[in-house]
Amino acid sequence: DSGVTQTPKHLITATGQRVTLRCSPRSGDLSVYWYQQSLDQGLQFLIQYYNGEERAKGNILERFSAQQFPDLHSELNLSSLELGDSALYFCASSVYPNTGNTGELFFGEGSRLTVL
Amino acid sequence: AQSVTQLGSHVSVSEGALVLLRCNYSSSVPPYLFWYVQYPNQGLQLLLKYTSAATLVKGINGFEAEFKKSETSFHLTKPSAHMSDAAEYFCAVSDQSSNYKLTFGKGTLLTVNP
Repeated sequence: DSGVTQTPKHLITATGQRVTLRCSPRSGDLSVYWYQQSLDQGLQFLIQYYNGEERAKGNILERFSAQQFPDLHSELNLSSLELGDSALYFCASSVYPNTGNTGELFFGEGSRLTVL
Repeated sequence: AQSVTQLGSHVSVSEGALVLLRCNYSSSVPPYLFWYVQYPNQGLQLLLKYTSAATLVKGINGFEAEFKKSETSFHLTKPSAHMSDAAEYFCAVSDQSSNYKLTFGKGTLLTVNP
């Protein structure tokens, strides 16, 4: 158990809909990262928050947005969903604003999104 | 820009055989290199890391990796595969030029046959 909690574990929805994925980081971790894992693209970094503020942005679509709340949990909002958005979405956390030479991120078990 | 290439999306070995998972990196500055493992229905967890100290790095569960600058490689090995090693393995790189953002390879699925 990494200590990172993601909900829901599975989500099935239709094209055009909007969903929210939630992540609670490990106790004491200030950074939250969101990744998308798909068969064709592999593991893609979406966005990072550190202590409530956006820290880094990756390959995140404009239809997607995220935020980190004062209690440090984070939500990833996916809107106008397309079939291609079907993927496993991971949240990861760490103490520091960047991984530095530790490289250690603690991953949740992921939220599997299926868009029909 | 940093990048990682994992050769072989799927590797199959027999139980007790040598495991070799290949990773080559591209980085304009000295890199930090990592291997993560993802067991079925779980998130990724750190297996081992190279952070410019010893070039031969030992990780959990008997895995080790050797940093070879001349070959820009960081291959993962284990002398004797166990059934419980079946998982997907990801190589990752970070460096100062990317503000230490981790870039992952596409992963290698390891199958262990009895």
